[in-house]
Amino acid sequence: GENVEQHPSTLSVQEGDSAVIKCTYSDSASNYFPWYKQELGKGPQLIIDIRSNVGEKKDQRIAVTLNKTAKHFSLHITETQPEDSAVYFCAASTNTNAGKSTFGDGTTLTVKP
Amino acid sequence: EAGVAQSPRYKIIEKRQSVAFWCNPISGHATLYWYQQILGQGPKLLIQFQNNGVVDDSQLPKDRFSAERLKGVDSTLKIQPAKLEDSAVYLCASSLDRPNTEAFFGQGTRLTVV
Repeated sequence: GENVEQHPSTLSVQEGDSAVIKCTYSDSASNYFPWYKQELGKGPQLIIDIRSNVGEKKDQRIAVTLNKTAKHFSLHITETQPEDSAVYFCAASTNTNAGKSTFGDGTTLTVKP
Repeated sequence: EAGVAQSPRYKIIEKRQSVAFWCNPISGHATLYWYQQILGQGPKLLIQFQNNGVVDDSQLPKDRFSAERLKGVDSTLKIQPAKLEDSAVYLCASSLDRPNTEAFFGQGTRLTVV
């Protein structure tokens, strides 16, 4: 089955700096890659996703890149703010239904004011 | 629009006891998922329903876990008997039954087995 590895497990940045989280996947059939933000005591919330026919996608301060050849994808957050502090999960799916995904183990992002 | 509702929020039981979790998906969402999230790990899919039918339960430990969605709306997940390693957050998610659609997660039920 699919295996998703995510790093770093923890990331601390100063407010205004950029943060980058990287993931690799094993199943070449995976074609959908969502990213989730999970705040304490809440369920994961989709923040951005990318499909295999796209190499990059941007939404305001958040961008994702995908390299299908190397089987890795990354999340970039620019101009970080304290409210960006949370656990971020990458995931991979062979189904464009976001609910059926294999998740990475998460990155705890702390943005220091 | 109301989100995915789950109850209870917290549950503490002794090992070998049984426990049940309830999920009410977003209205109109035909697809429902149960995930297990162990502390420090990402969510792991346990079972997927399409209306009241099971689509994928390959990762559900069927010797102790069961789930149902009798009328294609609410769902329950049961553990009987519970083991210490079942301590986790159990997340329910739902989505529309079509491609390129987002899944919405509930807040989860935190289970502690002592």
